[in-house]
Amino acid sequence: DQQVKQNSPSLSVQEGRISILNCDYTNSMFDYFLWYKKYPAEGPTFLISISSIKDKNEDGRFTVFLNKSAKHLSLHIVPSQPGDSAVYFCAASALRDDKIIFGKGTRLHILP
Amino acid sequence: GAVVSQHPSWVICKSGTSVKIECRSLDFQATTMFWYRQFPKQSLMLMATSNEGSKATYEQGVEKDKFLINHASLTLSTLTVTSAHPEDSSFYICSAPRQGVYAFFGQGTRLTVV
Repeated sequence: DQQVKQNSPSLSVQEGRISILNCDYTNSMFDYFLWYKKYPAEGPTFLISISSIKDKNEDGRFTVFLNKSAKHLSLHIVPSQPGDSAVYFCAASALRDDKIIFGKGTRLHILP
Repeated sequence: GAVVSQHPSWVICKSGTSVKIECRSLDFQATTMFWYRQFPKQSLMLMATSNEGSKATYEQGVEKDKFLINHASLTLSTLTVTSAHPEDSSFYICSAPRQGVYAFFGQGTRLTVV
């Protein structure tokens, strides 16, 4: 039973354009949603998060949108840069136990 | 700089031997740490929750006798893969929540069992 789903295993975007990574979840008890960036053979790096009581959080080039009714969130990166090429994990957590549940990840390729 | 340090970053061992992986929180105390495992092209799967001073909590399907977890201090958790087999080869990552849910991750350990 996959609680956090990233249905696109990969995404290619032209440099300078907007990258949109999508994520769906099934558990309505999640309190926070997070995005992590990961390079091969390294641990994930925290990127941005959003509380379940908000619908948008922005940090520089990164914006996360949350649609609770649809149980859907998305990460927007604009403008996309070559260094953004990595695997992006959507994750969710409940405050009661601090566990972080990850999606399968989406590999983002930024094309020159 | 890294706030969670994991060691070693890679290890090769023979089948049947045991391997210990350390996870340290560098500038904060972590009463809880998490251990994840990642297979190629797959998600990070939570294996267990390491609790300082008490037994670890294992996720369903994870063998507690095979993956021994010790959280002896507020800054150190260890994962020991006992009697390792080739199917245990994987990328193991630890994490520690520093500010509620904003967990920081170690660099990961690539385990190869030959």
